[in-house]
Amino acid sequence: GIQVEQSPPDLILQEGANSTLRCNFSDSVNNLQWFHQNPWGQLINLFYIPSGTKQNGRLSATTVATERYSLLYISSSQTTDSGVYFCAGRGNNNDMRFGAGTRLTVKP
Amino acid sequence: KAGVTQTPRYLIKTRGQQVTLSCSPISGHRSVSWYQQTPGQGLQFLFEYFSETQRNKGNFPGRFSGRQFSNSRSEMNVSTLELGDSALYLCASSLDPGRKTEAFFGQGTRLTVV
Repeated sequence: GIQVEQSPPDLILQEGANSTLRCNFSDSVNNLQWFHQNPWGQLINLFYIPSGTKQNGRLSATTVATERYSLLYISSSQTTDSGVYFCAGRGNNNDMRFGAGTRLTVKP
Repeated sequence: KAGVTQTPRYLIKTRGQQVTLSCSPISGHRSVSWYQQTPGQGLQFLFEYFSETQRNKGNFPGRFSGRQFSNSRSEMNVSTLELGDSALYLCASSLDPGRKTEAFFGQGTRLTVV
């Protein structure tokens, strides 16, 4: 299966700051998602984004499939944005593989 | 539309026992996948089922098994529990035509082995 690398592993921000999280894949993916894991462990869907750019409020994501990476942008961060962000991708006929996550801490 | 339902939410078992976890996918979804999450290993793929057939299996010992029923509900079983099996077990469901659809996760089952 594919390897997924997320960076940075940890990120500490002041409320109101912007951030960019990155996800690199070792091979082509045709199915890519971003998740936010809540304090109780559930993975909350942020974006399903095999390619292109999507926006949802203060969050947006861009996937450049040909270069095997995806970016998650968080603007005007709030303390409620804190938590772990995961990207996951699936290659052809493969299971979904996750990165190790980025732990975001937003300080008031 | 109901989401993915996992039961039980929490479980405490003794080493050597066995456990069965259940996952009910979103109505109409035919694919169910299972993942184990531990602090040390992150999110690791266990198995994937589609239309009652196991389509893919991760690198776990044979003590980990699963199945899917005709209504797409899935169960996973872990026999002869070890302390290292303590983890959050997550299942995901998707429509799955050609695996190019969005996956949705349940709230997870937190298993503690003592």
